[in-house]
Amino acid sequence: GQNIDQPTEMTATEGAIVQINCTYQTSGFNGLFWYQQHAGEAPTFLSYNVLDGLEEKGRFSSFLSRSKGYSYLLLKELQMKDSASYLCAVRDRLGYIPTFGRGTSLIVHP
Amino acid sequence: DAGVIQSPRHEVTEMGQEVTLRCKPISGHDYLFWYRQTMMRGLELLIYFNNNVPIDDSGMPEDRFSAKMPNASFSTLKIQPSEPRDSAVYFCASRGGTSGSRGPETQYFGPGTRLLVL
Repeated sequence: GQNIDQPTEMTATEGAIVQINCTYQTSGFNGLFWYQQHAGEAPTFLSYNVLDGLEEKGRFSSFLSRSKGYSYLLLKELQMKDSASYLCAVRDRLGYIPTFGRGTSLIVHP
Repeated sequence: DAGVIQSPRHEVTEMGQEVTLRCKPISGHDYLFWYRQTMMRGLELLIYFNNNVPIDDSGMPEDRFSAKMPNASFSTLKIQPSEPRDSAVYFCASRGGTSGSRGPETQYFGPGTRLLVL
């Protein structure tokens, strides 16, 4: 089975930087995804990591350490529209389908 | 592309009634997924199909739930009889498989059906 942990809620200030952590325990590893989900909407894909290191996409970056079972999503220059839930999803060696964590609700305030 | 289409967007029904949720995946995608999302349990995979064939239904909570995919462009999730604990948002998602099922292809989610069983 899989165990994926994320903080339940975080708050940050507009213009700041925030780091959302995700730790996982799986029987194997075959990729980690980050999704963004605004209230009342569907999850949308943000990033994918399968090798160690940092993947950067504009204001968003995602980091992976397979040996530590750890990933983080880094959001820079926060905007009010970044208020959303951020879901970490891990795909293990056996399964082809990622398992989702419970998500981190990020609140950005002025 | 219109994206993944789900209907209805909202459903309110009474306990014991049959509920049918519908999904049209993105054209050309050969994987289709049904998820359920609640505050308590987060996003849970119920079942997924590959080329219209059910591959893993281990997430289906019980026999009251059933899913079909009669063709590449349509799938249904049925709950009969419905119970209040089935109240949740049900998402359908699809993805392509050009790199095989281990590829980085992401899942594209539909807008969801918000189900309330009274």
